[in-house]
Parts: sequence; structure tokens; C-alpha cells
Amino acid sequence: DAGVTQSPTHLIKTRGQQVTLRCSPISGHKSVSWYQQVLGQGPQFIFQYYEKEERGRGNFPDRFSARQFPNYSSELNVNALLLGDSALYLCASSLPLAGGNEKLFFGSGTQLSVL
Amino acid sequence: AQSVTQLGSHVSVSEGALVLLRCNYSSSVPPYLFWYVQYPNQGLQLLLKYTTGATLVKGINGFEAEFKKSETSFHLTKPSAHMSDAAEYFCAVSPYTNAGKSTFGDGTTLTVKP
Repeated sequence: DAGVTQSPTHLIKTRGQQVTLRCSPISGHKSVSWYQQVLGQGPQFIFQYYEKEERGRGNFPDRFSARQFPNYSSELNVNALLLGDSALYLCASSLPLAGGNEKLFFGSGTQLSVL
Repeated sequence: AQSVTQLGSHVSVSEGALVLLRCNYSSSVPPYLFWYVQYPNQGLQLLLKYTTGATLVKGINGFEAEFKKSETSFHLTKPSAHMSDAAEYFCAVSPYTNAGKSTFGDGTTLTVKP
């Protein structure tokens, strides 16, 4: 079975531009979470979507938005890019299970460079 | 609110030596606790997790961790390091029943010397 796939793998943008990152979860997984990982730091939670509805949002400005489609794939949009948005953006999917058996599966990420 | 502190951003051990990576957490609700490994240019891979029950958790690749509520710690250990263990390790905490909203520490880079 395919794992979590993200596209593109690398992206270079200039300040002020807009970017869309894409994520396809593992087949059957209904929850998708987005994380930002700045060099030298741990991933920071941006959004979680479950069954096409936003289930949580981290401490990020409104320039960041996301959505989930009927096939459970997801897009992360960032408007008005800043230099500080340069980071590895990770997508993770899971199949929420009762009894504490939920596991997150991460994609390899999209490396965004803002010049 | 939840937070994670990983003590030591870099740890270096000799091949065959004990690996000990430290993690302390803060959580206002019963936590889920995780350790992940990240190799260069890759996403994170789950090593092990604690939810409820047994406080000593065994994971993949010979790693284990012990949940100590009184010390709010979840340290990761491996009895004998291999060269292939060299990577970055992240401790994470999430609200009960929702691993998707995890809070991560800043990571510990493990170097294994021959």
C-alpha cells in the first residue's frame, strides 16, 4: 500500500507569492494533519482535518488555510509568503481508533524556500 | 496546554553503548506520548507510543521508553547502539485520543561513533 504522498517535494517562491501544497493520505485514513518544521526545530501543528471538517488549528496566522476533499486528500495554502515561512511542511494521516490505538503516518514533506 | 522538553540537542555514543534520550512533558490532561525518528530528507517514523496501561513501552529497532508520571518523563533507551541508529529523534505529546494534534520537542540528534 502507498504511504502518505506529498507534492511537490521542493518549491521555491518569492516573498508575497502564494503557494499550495498537496497531500494524499494512506487509503482509508480519514484524518489529515499539517505540520511546519523549521530547520533545527520540531514540527509545529498547523491544522487537522477529519471527515472534511477542521478539527483543530495551531497558532498560525490567517495567511495559512487548508481544506480536505471528499477523497480525504488535503491542500495547505499559504498566502503572502514571508521569508520565515521557509520550512519543511509535513502531512500526516491517521485512522482514528478507539482505545488509544491511533497512529500517525507522515509523508516525506514539501521543502518550501521563500526568497 | 501541552509542551515537551528534550534535554540535549545532540547526543553522541559509541557503537554498542547505551542510548539514552531524555524527554519531559507537560500536559493538563492524560497524555499520549510518542517517540519518532527522522532520517535526512524524510518524514517522521513512529518508534513507540504510550497511551494507557503498561508504563514500559517497547518499540521498533530495539528501542523502549518508560512513562514516569511522577517525574513527567518519557525517556527513550536502547541497550546497544548501531551505526544505523544515527538520526534525529523527536518526543511528542498529544491530547488523549487525538494523535493528530501532537506537540513536538525540538529534537535530539543522535551520533553513533564506530
